Formats: sequence, C-alpha cells, structure tokens
Amino acid sequence: DAKTTQPTSMDCAEGRAANLPCNHSTISGNEYVYWYRQIHSQGPQYIIHGLKNNETNEMASLIITEDRKSSTLILPHATLRDTAVYYCIVRVAHSGNTPLVFGKGTRLSVIA
Amino acid sequence: DVKVTQSSRYLVKRTGEKVFLECVQDMDHENMFWYRQDPGLGLRLIYFSYDVKMKEKGDIPEGYSVSREKKERFSLILESASTNQTSMYLCASSRSPPENYGYTFGSGTRLTVV
Repeated sequence: DAKTTQPTSMDCAEGRAANLPCNHSTISGNEYVYWYRQIHSQGPQYIIHGLKNNETNEMASLIITEDRKSSTLILPHATLRDTAVYYCIVRVAHSGNTPLVFGKGTRLSVIA
Repeated sequence: DVKVTQSSRYLVKRTGEKVFLECVQDMDHENMFWYRQDPGLGLRLIYFSYDVKMKEKGDIPEGYSVSREKKERFSLILESASTNQTSMYLCASSRSPPENYGYTFGSGTRLTVV
C-alpha cells in the first residue's frame, strides 16, 4: 500500500471545523483513501472512505484533490468528543483481503 | 447494534503461561483480524483470517497463533507469554470485500505479562 503522511498533532477550537490533511503522493489509480479514528482506550472506528469523488456521511466529509495526491478529512463542528487519533490509510481496491496498515496518525485535540 | 466483543478488557498473566484472547463478532463477517498496539509503534497486524479454518500471518506473528473454528469467533493464542507481549490487543472484523466496507473493532484487551 502507498504511504501516507499526516501531521503528528493538531488543535481545534470546539464548534469550529477540524480539517485534517493527509498526503499520499504515490497513490495509485485503484487505491482508496480510508479514514479511521481512535478515541483513547477504545478500538479504532471507521469514519469514511473514497476513491476519486468527495464523500460525505453523518460523521465527516472527505475531500480528495483532483490529482489524488492528498485529501482532507473535515469534521464540520468539532466537539470535545472528537478528540482522538485520526488515521489516513490508502489501500488497493479489489485487492482481495489485504489487511489495513495503520500509520501513526494525527492526534486531534479539541479545545473548549 | 453490530458488535465485536473481546472477552476481557484487562488481563494479567504470568510469564510462560498459555494465554487465550477471544473475539466474537455478530455481523456474519468473513474477515477477522488481530492487531496489537503499543505506544510509539501504532497498530501492528499479528494474524488475520478470511474464512473458517483459514489464517494468514501478519507483520508480527512470532510468539502467537490463532484459531478460527467458527465464523464468528477468532482466538489469539500466546503459546508462552513473555513480558514483551504486554500490550493492547485489538480484534476487528469486516465484510468482503473489505475495501468496500469499514473494519469494526472491539474495545481491546489490555494484557499485562508479569
């Protein structure tokens, strides 16, 4: 799988949008971008994934650049409960059952 | 509400003991995974399984084995526990093909080997 680069940590004020960047400059055309988060002392939680188009669900929005070399996860109105480590992962589509490989992620702190 | 349940939240075992970590999912998922998580090292894949009685080694299988006799249950076995196996162990499952579906993780088992 292609490597991703994320900032080690970020802060965000409560109620503001949290924009978490991810660089995946070596991504291939058939690789999806996945986002997970891990709240302290819990297992990781799936957030969203996409291939080319921007995606939105009840948790977040995923913006993928046209060249697909980077993406941004947006939490539109961050709350204290969004404080977590956020993982950006790229993975080949239709690769059979190749497991996800987690990097170090971004530690997001939402501040009151 | 779909679930991945790990049998113990906290576990303390002695060096040399054989340890069983159990994971059960109620979603009829084909794929199951065991990771361990350590400070500064992130999540590392130990073993995974795509089907009953099938298993594949992950990145760090040494000192571990697994068993999948039933679709819903995936057991991680520490043959002879050592202190360097003190860690948080996380089980996950997914539907096939996993790239189209997210992984669902359990809450983890924090194992301490003394």
